[in-house]
Amino acid sequence: NAGVTQTPKFQVLKTGQSMTLQCAQDMNHNSMYWYRQDPGMGLRLIYYSASEGTTDKGEVPNGYNVSRLNKREFSLRLESAAPSQTSVYFCASSSADGRNTGELFFGEGSRLTVL
Amino acid sequence: GQQLNQSPQSMFIQEGEDVSMNCTSSSIFNTWLWYKQDPGEGPVLLIALYKAGELTSNGRLTAQFGITRKDSFLNISASIPSDVGIYFCAGQEYFGNEKLTFGTGTRLTIIP
Repeated sequence: NAGVTQTPKFQVLKTGQSMTLQCAQDMNHNSMYWYRQDPGMGLRLIYYSASEGTTDKGEVPNGYNVSRLNKREFSLRLESAAPSQTSVYFCASSSADGRNTGELFFGEGSRLTVL
Repeated sequence: GQQLNQSPQSMFIQEGEDVSMNCTSSSIFNTWLWYKQDPGEGPVLLIALYKAGELTSNGRLTAQFGITRKDSFLNISASIPSDVGIYFCAGQEYFGNEKLTFGTGTRLTIIP
């Protein structure tokens, strides 16, 4: 049972380059999320998708775009990377069916360095 | 956005000691959750609390939902080496809103 799978696990970019972080879940969950984790800042929500076909901004959306490709996949794109986007990025999913409210299942993270 | 203040930021304890950490918010949450992140992994849910005043245990872990709805506490009894990691509190504003606000984390280190 893979759960939430993120690729790549590590990436180094130069300022101005673009890239896409991929995320897929095999739990038939409705909701998916992208968080970033920075030292001393905890986890901050970038974007989320409550269901297939919908996306909404979180706390720190500037500089990012997302695509909910289908129910399984939710990608995060950096169009023009900046050093401030150096972080560890986590994708998560939840059933959002009202029974397990609050339980998010996280991937292993993608460590991104922007030089 | 909302901020959850989590303390302490880090703890250095010896194996067998008890651990206490807490989380406070400037606003009310209807659900409080505690997650643990092992090194190199994503966070995993430990305990979820859904009612003010609720006290819930999961093995050696006990968490409480503060009566004001603005705070929560996590206790770990008789710590063991696998307790090492970062503990996050998280709050949910209202039932059905799956967006969580996370605290800044408490890093637990066990001294041999």
